[in-house]
Amino acid sequence: GDSVTQMEGPVTLSEEAFLTINCTYTATGYPSLFWYVQYPGEGLQLLLKATKADDKGSNKGFEATYRKETTSFHLEKGSVQVSDSAVYFCALTDNTNAGKSTFGDGTTLTVKP
Amino acid sequence: EAQVTQNPRYLITVTGKKLTVTCSQNMNHEYMSWYRQDPGLGLRQIYYSMNVEVTDKGDVPEGYKVSRKEKRNFPLILESPSPNQTSLYFCASSSAGTGKTEQYFGPGTRLTVT
Repeated sequence: GDSVTQMEGPVTLSEEAFLTINCTYTATGYPSLFWYVQYPGEGLQLLLKATKADDKGSNKGFEATYRKETTSFHLEKGSVQVSDSAVYFCALTDNTNAGKSTFGDGTTLTVKP
Repeated sequence: EAQVTQNPRYLITVTGKKLTVTCSQNMNHEYMSWYRQDPGLGLRQIYYSMNVEVTDKGDVPEGYKVSRKEKRNFPLILESPSPNQTSLYFCASSSAGTGKTEQYFGPGTRLTVT
């Protein structure tokens, strides 16, 4: 079946540091890829997405590029802020079975002033 | 305001006592889904529904039931809860079952089964 592997956390950075959270996937079909963010006590919300190979998703300074050749969708941000502290989930939906969604284990990011 | 609502937000119950967690969305979305979140396991899909009267199993459906009689509602039923169903549950909805659209999540229901 499909699977998503995220870099293990937790990750602790100082404000203005560069962030990378690795995400790789296996899928039998042609997936769409997503990054969701979960702030304390809240549900998940979409951060960015990419629906086909070589697409780049971006939002709030975060970026991720759909790399089919390496089956990866790494999340990056050039300069993190304290307000970016949250749990980040990489996820895929297989376009050949659109109802099924697979999530990674989540990576907890803490940004210190 | 477009949203997904869940009730209750917190629930403590005993083994074997049937319970229902309600989920409702006001966005006219066709697709709805239930997940459970456990430490170290991320989100795992329980059931999903592509439209009214159409439901299918996710990765961890054992011990759960769902129904989709109306487009806006997708209740999760635990007929005989057990302690291993203690978890944080999320309902989500999406505008189309193509897989390319993002899901909107509810605030979560924290269930404890003793």
